[in-house]
Amino acid sequence: DAKTTQPPSMDCAEGRAANLPCNHSTISGNEYVYWYRQIHSQGPQYIIHGLKNNETNEMASLIITEDRKSSTLILPHATLRDTAVYYCIVRVGPGGSYIPTFGRGTSLIVHP
Amino acid sequence: SQTIHQWPATLVQPVGSPLSLECTVEGTSNPNLYWYRQAAGRGLQLLFYSVGIGQISSEVPQNLSASRPQDRQFILSSKKLLLSDSGFYLCAWSVDTYGYTFGSGTRLTVV
Repeated sequence: DAKTTQPPSMDCAEGRAANLPCNHSTISGNEYVYWYRQIHSQGPQYIIHGLKNNETNEMASLIITEDRKSSTLILPHATLRDTAVYYCIVRVGPGGSYIPTFGRGTSLIVHP
Repeated sequence: SQTIHQWPATLVQPVGSPLSLECTVEGTSNPNLYWYRQAAGRGLQLLFYSVGIGQISSEVPQNLSASRPQDRQFILSSKKLLLSDSGFYLCAWSVDTYGYTFGSGTRLTVV
């Protein structure tokens, strides 16, 4: 099963881009990279996912390296409300039972 | 649209009392269902997952059990709560390659 490694914490100035890295060096060819964030005392919220191409939506951009061993979540203009724990996960599990394995994530603090 | 309901939002229970947390999903069929626990300041720990009615897999041996009596209902139970069972419990569902949707969570405090 592919595992992910993220820095435990980061900080960013409001209005600047926040770049959150994730390593997943043992990812398999058919595994997707998903990003979620969890604001204190709430359930994790889906942000974005990708397989091999870079992805962008209204919340963020996802940059996946060509070898797929790492990715970066980009919040282009961070706001105070983006302060949260960000989880990078990959799909794992045999026989179609996809089991998300969450690490400790990265605690992002956006400061004024 | 698909929605997930989890209740109660908060719960305070004495040590040795039973527990029943319920999670229901609407707007989808045959979802994969999951129970997670998050201790204070920690990551999400997968407790149980289910790929169908009556099919439960346990990831961590503990004082808890899970059941799936209906396709879109997932229940987390305990016969006798321990202090170490305190935490934030999250239910989630997924279908095939789509992402995971989490409930709003239950904060359990065992006193």
